Amino acid sequence: EVQLVESGGALVQPGGSLRLSCAASGLRFSDHKMDWVRQLPGKGLEWVGRIRWRRDSDTTEYAASVKGRFTVFRDDSKNSLYLQMNSLTIEDTAVYYCVRSDVSGYFGTWGQGTMVTVSS
Amino acid sequence: DIQMTQSPSTLSAFVGDSVTITCRASQSISTWLAWCQQKPGKAPKLLIYKASKLETGVPSRFSGSGSGTEFTLTISSLQPDDFATYYCQQHAAYPLTFGGGTKIEIK
Repeated sequence: EVQLVESGGALVQPGGSLRLSCAASGLRFSDHKMDWVRQLPGKGLEWVGRIRWRRDSDTTEYAASVKGRFTVFRDDSKNSLYLQMNSLTIEDTAVYYCVRSDVSGYFGTWGQGTMVTVSS
Repeated sequence: DIQMTQSPSTLSAFVGDSVTITCRASQSISTWLAWCQQKPGKAPKLLIYKASKLETGVPSRFSGSGSGTEFTLTISSLQPDDFATYYCQQHAAYPLTFGGGTKIEIK
């Protein structure tokens, strides 16, 4: 069974930084595209960013709202995905989900989420 | 960006009813569409991918159809476990985008 477990969510001040982690098990991690999706409080879902697999040189894609501030990266040797978030604003307050994506790009398996609160 | 518009935003129904949710894309996405279900406080769960393919383990009362710009998710004979919020998601182009969600409530 595929399991994704996020960690690292916290309360952080505006302008601060935070790194989220996602530990994956039950899959050949290096074979999968991985995404971060967030959900603002009481709102819908918003895709944050994607990292492809090694044979695609771990290339990344980002939503415009986070491009230049957030970085998705992975360590296949640790079966782990990361989201480095810099220059955080109040609008980044959300539950952040780690997601395994299918080769065709749809979101297949979701983690349980980790809460990030940006507040002074 | 491809905009995804779901309707209705809220739907009230009885157990046993058949319901249909519509998702429209602002441009053609072929069949690059997925549906997921989310219950309060829980992570979303994939139901349908490639517009009409049922994810393993999902009950057959869920079905999806459509291509191009118009898609539907139908739940035949609603069960108590089905009261949740449903989202469509396109994966034809970046940025990947979701519909605004449809909440199915018990009437």
